[in-house]
Amino acid sequence: NAGVMQNPRHLVRRRGQEARLRCSPMKGHSHVYWYRQLPEEGLKFMVYLQKENIIDESGMPKERFSAEFPKEGPSILRIQQVVRGDSAAYFCASSPRDRGFTEAFFGQGTRLTVV
Amino acid sequence: AQSVAQPEDQVNVAEGNPLTVKCTYSVSGNPYLFWYVQYPNRGLQFLLKYITGDNLVKGSYGFEAEFNKSQTSFHLKKPSALVSDSALYFCAVRDKGRDDKIIFGKGTRLHILP
Repeated sequence: NAGVMQNPRHLVRRRGQEARLRCSPMKGHSHVYWYRQLPEEGLKFMVYLQKENIIDESGMPKERFSAEFPKEGPSILRIQQVVRGDSAAYFCASSPRDRGFTEAFFGQGTRLTVV
Repeated sequence: AQSVAQPEDQVNVAEGNPLTVKCTYSVSGNPYLFWYVQYPNRGLQFLLKYITGDNLVKGSYGFEAEFNKSQTSFHLKKPSALVSDSALYFCAVRDKGRDDKIIFGKGTRLHILP
């Protein structure tokens, strides 16, 4: 059973371009989280999704950021018109639908660098 | 809304000594509590969790954590630290019984000194 797969591992974008980060959850997991980690900072919650539904997006910036988890395929975190401040590590985690007592399993992260 | 506090940015411990990494939490109901570890340029690895039952939870790599409901704490402990334990440690909380997000503390960097 493969773990949570994130790609790409490293992504370089110029200011103003779009960044697309992909996350394939563990097999059988129906829920996905996205977190952002800035250097020397903790994990900031961004969004919590289940297939075809956003459960909680209270941590998402109001503009330029969006996330989806379609019925088929990976979850996508999309950042439009990137700026230098978007440079960070973005982590995806997945969990089954089990009322919450199962831990979330993390991917290796995508490190976005905006130049 | 739930929250997690890790009051120490960094903890230094001599190898062989016991270590404690502190965590306090706040939830509206009863909590699920987790500890994760992150090594440089890696994702988070699960260490242990408290769901219910015995307040002392044992996890991976010899770590354990004690749930204290009255103090709303879930401190991570290890009787004898190893240099290889040096890493970034995160405490996390989830509100029990709700389809709710997992919230992480800001992390505590643990340095084990040889």
